[in-house]
Order: sequence, then C-alpha cells, then structure tokens
Amino acid sequence: EDQVTQSPEALRLQEGESSSLNCSYTVSGLRGLFWYRQDPGKGPEFLFTLYSAGEEKEKERLKATLTKKESFLHITAPKPEDSATYLCAEQDNFNKFYFGSGTKLNVKP
Amino acid sequence: DTEVTQTPKHLVMGMTNKKSLKCEQHMGHRAMYWYKQKAKKPPELMFVYSYEKLSINESVPSRFSPECPNSSLLNLHLHALQPEDSALYLCASSQESQQGNTIYFGEGSWLTVV
Repeated sequence: EDQVTQSPEALRLQEGESSSLNCSYTVSGLRGLFWYRQDPGKGPEFLFTLYSAGEEKEKERLKATLTKKESFLHITAPKPEDSATYLCAEQDNFNKFYFGSGTKLNVKP
Repeated sequence: DTEVTQTPKHLVMGMTNKKSLKCEQHMGHRAMYWYKQKAKKPPELMFVYSYEKLSINESVPSRFSPECPNSSLLNLHLHALQPEDSALYLCASSQESQQGNTIYFGEGSWLTVV
C-alpha cells in the first residue's frame, strides 16, 4: 500500500536554528507531493505542491525540495510563530491523497 | 484566509440525535472532500465528490451520509453516532489541472458525541 513517512515526529529548535523535515513516499504514479502547516484546532493550511524530482519552492523562511523518493522542508532561521505541525501528503493517479503523521515543530525564543 | 467555510465550528450531539455539518466553497472547484481527524493523527479521507457525484467512499459507516446539493456545497449528515466518532471533521476542495490538484481545507468542525 502507498505510504508516506515523516521524520522526525517532533522537533524542538531555538529561534534562528535552521533545520529540515523529511517526508519519504512510496506511491507509484505520484501526481504531486504537498506540504501543509496545521495549527492546533485548525484545518491544514496549504504551503507547497511539488510535481517532479529536482523541483524546489520557497515561501518566506520555508523551502521545499523533491527527489524521486523523498521531500524535504527546510526551515531557515525559524521564529516562534513557525511552531506548528507540518504535514506532507502525496497524491496518486486515482485522486487520493495519503497524509504522513506529521512533524510537530516547536521553536523557542 | 481559507476560502472553504465550514459550519458549525463546534457541535455536541447525543447518540440518538440527527445533525448535519455544512461546507461551502466559492473557488469554483469541482471536487470536494470530507476528512476526519483525531487528535495527533493525520487527516483520514472519508468521501470524495467529483462534479457533484460521489466518486470515493472509504468504507465509511452508514451513520455518516454525505450530500452534494450543488458544486459549491457539501453536507455531512450524522445519525446515531458513537462516542468514538468524536473528532475534527474537515471539508476540502480542489480543482483538477494538468499537473494534478491541490486540496484546500476549511477550518473544520469539532464534533463531540456524548
């Protein structure tokens, strides 16, 4: 079965300490790799879509990259307001999305 | 701000009640989704509507009944729920493109079954 695995489960950073989150996927016929941010008690907020290996997208302090089997979300000089759970998801050829379990990021001032 | 609007934000219902969750989007998207999310877990797909027709039902119990009255509206009718059905219910929508489709979520409806 198609699977999305995120690591680490939780990450604590000091403000300004850059790091990366990992998302590995096994779907056959990948149609897209998606990153979302979710704050407690709210719906996931769309961040990025990546479609092909080598693709990169940036938004403020976040940069998403994609290889053939994994994606990384790089966070440069994070701030406390970046604290949230980051979810990745893959879409297969049948319009179904598979979510990873998420990485809970805590950025301390 | 999300352009997928869900009501109510919070709902408490008894196991014998009948209630409905409502979702509306004005982005012209032709696919709409219901997801269920338990605490500290990722969203789980329940139903997908494509062009107002039910295209995916992930073996959801019949006490959950989806309805898509038109391309902008999606309802989830609830009847005889169990306490374990308490969760955040997320509505989402997407528009097919050549490369794929990105789904956009609403803020969710918190459901508590007592």
